[in-house]
Amino acid sequence: GAVVSQHPSWVICKSGTSVKIECRSLDFQATTMFWYRQFPKQSLMLMATSNEGSKATYEQGVEKDKFLINHASLTLSTLTVTSAHPEDSSFYICSAKWGNEQYFGPGTRLTVT
Amino acid sequence: SQKIEQNSEALNIQEGKTATLTCNYTNYSPAYLQWYRQDPGRGPVFLLLIRENEKEKRKERLKVTFDTTLKQSLFHITASQPADSATYLCALEDQGGKLIFGQGTELSVKP
Repeated sequence: GAVVSQHPSWVICKSGTSVKIECRSLDFQATTMFWYRQFPKQSLMLMATSNEGSKATYEQGVEKDKFLINHASLTLSTLTVTSAHPEDSSFYICSAKWGNEQYFGPGTRLTVT
Repeated sequence: SQKIEQNSEALNIQEGKTATLTCNYTNYSPAYLQWYRQDPGRGPVFLLLIRENEKEKRKERLKVTFDTTLKQSLFHITASQPADSATYLCALEDQGGKLIFGQGTELSVKP
């Protein structure tokens, strides 16, 4: 149990376009999901906490208008990177909490050209 | 400020030996601590959670200790195998319920 999926696993987009990443909890319901970003050889940095039915809570320094988060159901959260730029290229990972444990998706590699 | 620190240098060991990874934290009083494994290009995979009232926890070849006085957790892999090669992350949940990660230690097990 406790499987989290992400889609797509990788995406290449042109500068100025928007990209949507989906995060799903497959066998449990998650009222709270989290979005992280990870640069090469660095640890995961929390971007925002996604709450089902309410607005996301963003970490300091993360632009809420650029990284749109929607948690429309108990099993789905989406992250949309709007007007993407090359510096947004990174590995984006979501997680969902089940009890005290957090389970992570496989990640989405975003490359902005 | 709150900090979680892991050995930043890669750990190289011979197959069959015990790997020991360290996680130190400051300015936290966590109720529990978690360890994850991350392979390149993949999301972290949950391994073990140890609570503040637990000194030690085991799962197959894995053992975690938690010393709240020293503010330290040790993660051991016994009888290590090349397939254990990965980056291992420790994480604490802060008071806001957010998981904060250490920078990870890369383990390489040579045959």
